[in-house]
Amino acid sequence: DIQMTQSPSSLSASVGDRVTITCQASQDITNYLNWYQQKPGKAPKLLIYDASNLETGVPSKFGGSGSGTDFSFTISSLQPEDIATYYCQHYDNLPRFTFGPGTTVDI
Amino acid sequence: QVQLVESGGGVVQPGRSLRVSCAASGFSFSNYGMHWVRQAPGKGLEWVAGIWYDGTNKYYADSVKGRFTISRDNSKNTLYLQMNTLRAEDTAVYYCARVRGGSAVYWGQGTLVTVSS
Repeated sequence: DIQMTQSPSSLSASVGDRVTITCQASQDITNYLNWYQQKPGKAPKLLIYDASNLETGVPSKFGGSGSGTDFSFTISSLQPEDIATYYCQHYDNLPRFTFGPGTTVDI
Repeated sequence: QVQLVESGGGVVQPGRSLRVSCAASGFSFSNYGMHWVRQAPGKGLEWVAGIWYDGTNKYYADSVKGRFTISRDNSKNTLYLQMNTLRAEDTAVYYCARVRGGSAVYWGQGTLVTVSS
């Protein structure tokens, strides 16, 4: 089974900072990697699909990159409304999902 | 607009069964794969099960295989998760999600299942 790791597990940054989260797969997953945002008490929201594609309606301050085993997610200028937990998620051909453990972003 | 509304959660004793439902509206339900994802209190997201648009293929996380069954009724626009032999570690908010390829694009608000004596 493929395992997903994320780092850091939490971070604190200032308004306007550039924030980067990394996600690593235990084996090559090409670009089968999505990123979600979850605010407290709410359902997750898809931000980035297939490693680097911005979901419709999502602000362009969010971005993703990577392929193979190493991926990154970036918020170009952190705002108070971006306080949330961010998850990477791998999918296979069925599809079955594997979520990373999450990264909590605070200000 | 797309709406997914889960129901059926509650408190259940260990070893007992429960069925949760997800009522879909605002889209052609029979055209989309659907999944269940759960989140234990204070923990991360865990994928539970998925089903193809026509119900012909179903797949499960190892943690629930043999105990949980995903199904759908396309005539009623409803997704189900039958949970048997429940354990304390199954306590979680259960979300249904509509998928596009390998992405969970639309999510319900979740229903809380508590397994406790």
